[in-house]
Amino acid sequence: RKEVEQDPGPFNVPEGATVAFNCTYSNSASQSFFWYRQDCRKEPKLLMSVYSSGNEDGRFTAQLNRASQYISLLIRDSKLSDSATYLCVVNLRSNDYKLSFGAGTTVTVRA
Amino acid sequence: NAGVTQTPKFRVLKTGQSMTLLCAQDMNHEYMYWYRQDPGMGLRLIHYSVGEGTTAKGEVPDGYNVSRLKKQNFLLGLESAAPSQTSVYFCASSRLGRGQFFGPGTRLTVL
Repeated sequence: RKEVEQDPGPFNVPEGATVAFNCTYSNSASQSFFWYRQDCRKEPKLLMSVYSSGNEDGRFTAQLNRASQYISLLIRDSKLSDSATYLCVVNLRSNDYKLSFGAGTTVTVRA
Repeated sequence: NAGVTQTPKFRVLKTGQSMTLLCAQDMNHEYMYWYRQDPGMGLRLIHYSVGEGTTAKGEVPDGYNVSRLKKQNFLLGLESAAPSQTSVYFCASSRLGRGQFFGPGTRLTVL
């Protein structure tokens, strides 16, 4: 089983819509969680960390469900510029510098 | 503040040739990483370093060597390139427990 699994999509949504997707992780001892954004042929960029209580950053909301071992990302009021691949990233231990990356979920926002 | 830079951006090699990829960061990060990214797969860790003069193997180290002689630089070497090493290579750096910051990538083709 992969350490981090994501639905590859694509999720095709109209501008202004809400889109949400999940990521599951295999190791219950995982401590840190992140969402990265990757545009076509570019480097991954840190979008947001995911905290136990859930957190928001503008139109983006991240949630963590430890019992079911998944994290989610919700994008409200989608913009064309939100079109990208979103990578789920998990750190096994808080003092571990190695991250496990999902293969990504592709989101396409259409006009 | 350039962040993480990588050279070269593109390279074509013939099977058996050697090359070195250079990564530099100006954020005074302790940790540096080399990943490869192939279509449909998540980022896979090749080698990493937790400080100047130290290196360690990641998930897919075979066929690669690294050196970290200076804190700000992390070099990835291919001694005898193989077609299976055709990929996009990303360097990243971080502080402990924090998200990683990536360079723009090197697109390598081995013929």
